[in-house]
Amino acid sequence: DAGVTQSPTHLIKTRGQHVTLRCSPISGHKSVSWYQQVLGQGPQFIFQYYEKEERGRGNFPDRFSARQFPNYSSELNVNALLLGDSALYLCASSLGSTGGEQYFGPGTRLTVT
Amino acid sequence: GNSVTQMEGPVTLSEEAFLTINCTYTATGYPSLFWYVQYPGEGLQLLLKATKADDKGSNKGFEATYRKETTSFHLEKGSVQVSDSAVYFCALSDGSGNQFYFGTGTSLTVIP
Repeated sequence: DAGVTQSPTHLIKTRGQHVTLRCSPISGHKSVSWYQQVLGQGPQFIFQYYEKEERGRGNFPDRFSARQFPNYSSELNVNALLLGDSALYLCASSLGSTGGEQYFGPGTRLTVT
Repeated sequence: GNSVTQMEGPVTLSEEAFLTINCTYTATGYPSLFWYVQYPGEGLQLLLKATKADDKGSNKGFEATYRKETTSFHLEKGSVQVSDSAVYFCALSDGSGNQFYFGTGTSLTVIP
C-alpha cells in the first residue's frame, strides 16, 4: 500500500508570493494533519482536518489555510510568504481524529528567497 | 498550555551501551504520549506510544513509561545498536486528540 504522499518535493518561492502544498493520505485514512518543521527543531502543528472539517489549529497566522477534499486529500495554502516560512512542511494521516497513530509523509521543502 | 521538553543532544554512545533520552511535558487534561524516530534520509515514524498514566509503550527494544506524577515519558533501551542512530522526538496529543506537540528532537549516534 502507498504511504502518505506529498507534492511537490521541493519548492522555491519569492517573498510575497503564494504557495499550495498537496498531500494524499493513506487509503482509508480520514484525518490529515499539517506540520511545519524548521531546521533543527521539532514539527510544529498547523492544522488537523477530519472528514473535511477543521478539527484543530495551531498557533499560526491567518496567512496559513488548508482544506480537505471529499477523497480526503488535502491542500495547505500560505499567502504573502515571508523568509521565515522557509521550512519542511509535513503531512500526516491517521484513521480517526483523536490521538491515534499518525503516519508521516516525506515532506515538502519550501525555500522563500 | 501544552508543551514538550526534551533532553538536548547530540548524544553519542558506544554499541551495547544503555540509552536514556529524557522527556517531560506540560499538558491540560489527559494527553497521549509518543516517541517518534527519524532515521537518516527517512520520514518520521512512530516508535511507541502510551495513552494513560502508568502505561508502558515498547517497540524494537525501546521502552517508555507514562509517569503522571513526574510528567515524564523517558525513552530507554538496554543495549543500543549502530542501526539505532537517528533523531528521536517526544510528542503529546492533547486531551481532545486534535492538537499535537513535538519536542525539539535528540540526535543519537551509536559508534561500533
